[in-house]
This record gives sequence, structure tokens and C-alpha cells, in this order.
Amino acid sequence: GAVVSQHPSWVICKSGTSVKIECRSLDFQATTMFWYRQFPKQSLMLMATSNEGSKATYEQGVEKDKFLINHASLTLSTLTVTSAHPEDSSFYICSARENSGITDTQYFGPGTRLTVL
Amino acid sequence: GENVEQHPSTLSVQEGDSAVIKCTYSDSASNYFPWYKQELGKRPQLIIDIRSNVGEKKDQRIAVTLNKTAKHFSLHITETQPEDSAVYFCAARAYNAGNMLTFGGGTRLMVKP
Repeated sequence: GAVVSQHPSWVICKSGTSVKIECRSLDFQATTMFWYRQFPKQSLMLMATSNEGSKATYEQGVEKDKFLINHASLTLSTLTVTSAHPEDSSFYICSARENSGITDTQYFGPGTRLTVL
Repeated sequence: GENVEQHPSTLSVQEGDSAVIKCTYSDSASNYFPWYKQELGKRPQLIIDIRSNVGEKKDQRIAVTLNKTAKHFSLHITETQPEDSAVYFCAARAYNAGNMLTFGGGTRLMVKP
């Protein structure tokens, strides 16, 4: 299957700082990427849909000014957690949609574990 | 919007036995149903998917069935092995939902050797 990378794999930061997470589709172009948040032993919660060249679509309850998403190219989307607080600590996973006309599948990145002190 | 329910939340089987995980969905417009396997601390991996134009799909020890009328789909794993132990998520996507997947709550499968 297609490969999606995510960087960094883990990050520890102080409260009040901002953290940027990158999501890349390595062997395909992704016009659509998704950002999820996952708490321990829970399911994947969609935060936002990232569309190349346009504004992200945020799910209800997700603050767009706190979780900034930029889909600058067909292979890169970034999520910036601004003014992070301990309650933002979580596992953040991106996914990219491969839609080649033959296949239409979503592949996940390895995730980023964010710990805010 | 779409709502996906998944059962059971935990499932323990003996090695070699079969495991079945069931999901129901609410949106009749859903037409794509993938299953993901997630090992602890790792990314969800797509293991099988099915589209609404077929009722069953099989890949070696894994099979998925879909009942559109009843709006439910199931994952079947035969001859389970310890390495099948993981959390499994079902998902549904409607053609008119912005390509967004809605996930079930997950099933923790434990295969005892």
C-alpha cells in the first residue's frame, strides 16, 4: 500500500508553546488529508479535513485557531498546535487519501505522541 | 451524520479459533467500508475493505461481509494466531460526506496461545 510519513514521532513541550506536526504522502499525491486525535484505548476522533489549496474543514468542537492546518502541496499537510496545554497531550495521527481512479483508499501515518508539560 | 457502532469492545479467543467483529452504520448513503488493525502505539493499517456493490470479500484468513439492507458489516478472522492480537476498527464512508471516514469504537482482540 501507499506510504504516509509523519514527523516528529514524539514531542515533549512546555505549556504555552506551539508544536508543528508534518504529514507527508511519500509515493502518491493526496488532495485530501485528515487529522485525527486518539486518546488511550479509544477510537480515532476526526479533527479536520485538510484540502490542498483551500481551507481545512474542522469538525464540531475543534478550535480552528488552536489547531492550525496548512495543506501547502499535494504531498504535505501540517498541523500546528498553538499555545499547547497539558490537555492537548494526545496521539495525533494523519491520513492521506489516495484516489487514483482505480483505488480510493485512506492510509495512515505512524502518529505523533504529544506530551505537554 | 453517520454513526458507526462496533461490537464487541473486547474479544478473547483461543489460537486457531475464529473471531467475528460486527459493525452497524446509520447512513444509507455509505458505500465504502474499510477495516483497520492497530497494534499498540502504531498506526492503523488497512487490512481489508468492501464496497457496497459486493456482499462479501475474502483475503486469505480474513473476510468481510456486508448487508446493505440491515446496514451492518462484519469482519471474520479464521484460524487466529497470536499476532492477530490488536485493536480492530471498522469504518464507513458515504459518497456525499466529503470523503470522511466515520470509525467504530474499536475491538480489542486477544488471541491466547
